[in-house]
Amino acid sequence: AQKVTQAQTEISVVEKEDVTLDCVYETRDTTYYLFWYKQPPSGELVFLIRRNSFDEQNEISGRYSWNFQKSTSSFNFTITASQVVDSAVYFCALSEALGGATNKLIFGTGTLLAVQP
Amino acid sequence: DTGVSQDPRHKITKRGQNVTFRCDPISEHNRLYWYRQTLGQGPEFLTYFQNEAQLEKSRLLSDRFSAERPKGSFSTLEIQRTEQGDSAMYLCASSFRGDEKLFFGSGTQLSVL
Repeated sequence: AQKVTQAQTEISVVEKEDVTLDCVYETRDTTYYLFWYKQPPSGELVFLIRRNSFDEQNEISGRYSWNFQKSTSSFNFTITASQVVDSAVYFCALSEALGGATNKLIFGTGTLLAVQP
Repeated sequence: DTGVSQDPRHKITKRGQNVTFRCDPISEHNRLYWYRQTLGQGPEFLTYFQNEAQLEKSRLLSDRFSAERPKGSFSTLEIQRTEQGDSAMYLCASSFRGDEKLFFGSGTQLSVL
């Protein structure tokens, strides 16, 4: 069965610190997608990144970077030089097999990031 | 605004009452999803439509829950005889068929007293 584990329930950092959010997943599929979503206090889930299982290249987008390691089933997310606006709950998610009918996402329990000024 | 919109944002009801929520997806998206999120948890899949056809329902969706998407555009989620355990945020999302990226609305927060 698919499962996503985000072991860090809450993280508190001071502005400008770097922070890494961990995500470990389980799946029997050989083809799958991994996602990160941000949920600010307003409640709307904001898409950050999608990575398919065949692409293990790390990705950088501004202050955000993602480290996908298939060997350890991890897809970690790093924010460099954190800012107060980064404060939110961050969810890692796993989709069912590519080409499957549903595009159903399995979410982790989220990590609450609090960035203090 | 071309995002996913949900109405109402908040709903307070008494146990045993029926409630209905509405979701308007991004107009060109043919897939629509309902998720439920309780405090401290990630969203959990409830059901999914492709156009007007409801193609999958989670075991979480009891017989008191029904969802429709009559014309393949907006969708409604109805909960009959609400129970306190139904209190949660109900999230709607939409996507293109074949695109795994889901766009979410801001959700409807249901409180059952």
